[in-house]
Amino acid sequence: SAVISQKPSRDICQRGTSLTIQCQVDSQVTMMFWYRQQPGQSLTLIATANQGSEATYESGFVIDKFPISRPNLTFSTLTVSNMSPEDSSIYLCSVVPQGIPYEQYFGPGTRLTVT
Amino acid sequence: GDSVTQMEGPVTLSEEAFLTINCTYTATGYPSLFWYVQYPGEGLQLLLKATKADDKGSNKGFEATYRKETTSFHLEKGSVQVSDSAVYFCALGMGSASKIIFGSGTRLSIRP
Repeated sequence: SAVISQKPSRDICQRGTSLTIQCQVDSQVTMMFWYRQQPGQSLTLIATANQGSEATYESGFVIDKFPISRPNLTFSTLTVSNMSPEDSSIYLCSVVPQGIPYEQYFGPGTRLTVT
Repeated sequence: GDSVTQMEGPVTLSEEAFLTINCTYTATGYPSLFWYVQYPGEGLQLLLKATKADDKGSNKGFEATYRKETTSFHLEKGSVQVSDSAVYFCALGMGSASKIIFGSGTRLSIRP
């Protein structure tokens, strides 16, 4: 498995501002993903964070709104830009450990409230 | 496209009752199947998995069998405890990108 930490754990932000969420893993992983979980809902994949290149976004998510970086094999950031109340969600990072395809491990999440 | 359908909640049971949470899937190939659990205030944890037909995943007294003929992966536990109260997500993994598709989740509450 892998131990994943996210910062911040929660934040309250004003509309129009941006927040950057960090995801750190204790070991090298093959893949990193970012998900959104809106209140009472299931998880929706935002994008795959690719090491050293642009992230791969799912339908309905764009780089201008959710820029993602992954400078190395253990770290990634997700920025939620120009926030509105509709962005209030839990944002989760997940990883696929090396040698264990499809088995994803999730970080504790970042609870974001936009006022 | 690929999808997961699981029974809607909330599900409320008494302690020591038998639990079944139904899950069916639609996939064009041969997916891996998972159950994840989210305890109150915590992140998702992988509960169990099965990677091919007829495999049985098990953990913490929970079991699920990969049924290709019925495209199902139902979660069962013989005797639930209050500490099992959580949201349970059925999911499938397809393709080389390791993407996982989640069901809508089922909230389980266990009464003492």
